[in-house]
Amino acid sequence: TQLLEQSPQFLSIQEGENLTVYCNSSSVFSSLQWYRQEPGEGPVLLVTVVTGGEVKKLKRLTFQFGDARKDSSLHITAAQPGDTGLYLCAVEGSSYKLIFGSGTRLLVRP
Amino acid sequence: NAGVTQTPKFQVLKTGQSMTLQCAQDMNHNSMYWYRQDPGMGLRLIYYSASEGTTDKGEVPNGYNVSRLNKREFSLRLESAAPSQTSVYFCASSGLAGGQYFGPGTRLTVL
Repeated sequence: TQLLEQSPQFLSIQEGENLTVYCNSSSVFSSLQWYRQEPGEGPVLLVTVVTGGEVKKLKRLTFQFGDARKDSSLHITAAQPGDTGLYLCAVEGSSYKLIFGSGTRLLVRP
Repeated sequence: NAGVTQTPKFQVLKTGQSMTLQCAQDMNHNSMYWYRQDPGMGLRLIYYSASEGTTDKGEVPNGYNVSRLNKREFSLRLESAAPSQTSVYFCASSGLAGGQYFGPGTRLTVL
C-alpha cells in the first residue's frame, strides 16, 4: 500500500489548459513537499507546505495543504510545454527517508 | 550558489572495478543523502548522513560505502562494481527549512 497516492497517474493536456494534481493519504503529516523531475534530471523542490489549509503560489502553480494535513493539491494555470514532467509529492519518514508519492506524469502539448 | 554538485556526470566501469562518486553542497546543510534511480523506477535511499561525522544505511546499502568528508562533501564508493549497480545516482542535501535539494546525477554503467 502506497503511503501517498497521487492522481491522476498520467495527464496529457493542451497548452493553455488548467489542471489539478492530487496527493492523498490516510496519515497526518507535519509537512509535505512537491517536486518536479524531468527526464534525466534530479527532482527539483518546488515547495514545502507545513500548515493545515496553507496555500502557496509559485507563478502559475498553486499548492494547497489540506486542513487536516492528510492531503495536498497542485493546480497549474494556463499550462505551458515547459511544465511537462513528473510531479511528485513527498513527506519525510523515519530516519530522514523521503517518502515519495506514486507520481503524476504531465505532458503539455504545444 | 551552485547548490548540489556531483562528479562525474557519466561513468562506465567493468565488473569488479571500483570508483568513488563525489558530491558537494554549498548551502550549509547538515544532512546529505545518496539515492539510486533505475529506469522507470522511483528513488531508493542508499545511505544518508544526518550531520557531519555520522552516516547511516538506507534501504539499499549493500555494495556501497560512504564518507562524510566534512559538512560540504559526501562521497559514495563502489568497491567492486556489479552490473546490478548500473543506475543513475543522485546526491541530495537538506537543511532546517525542510525539503531536499538534488544534484544533477551520475549515470553509471557497469559492464
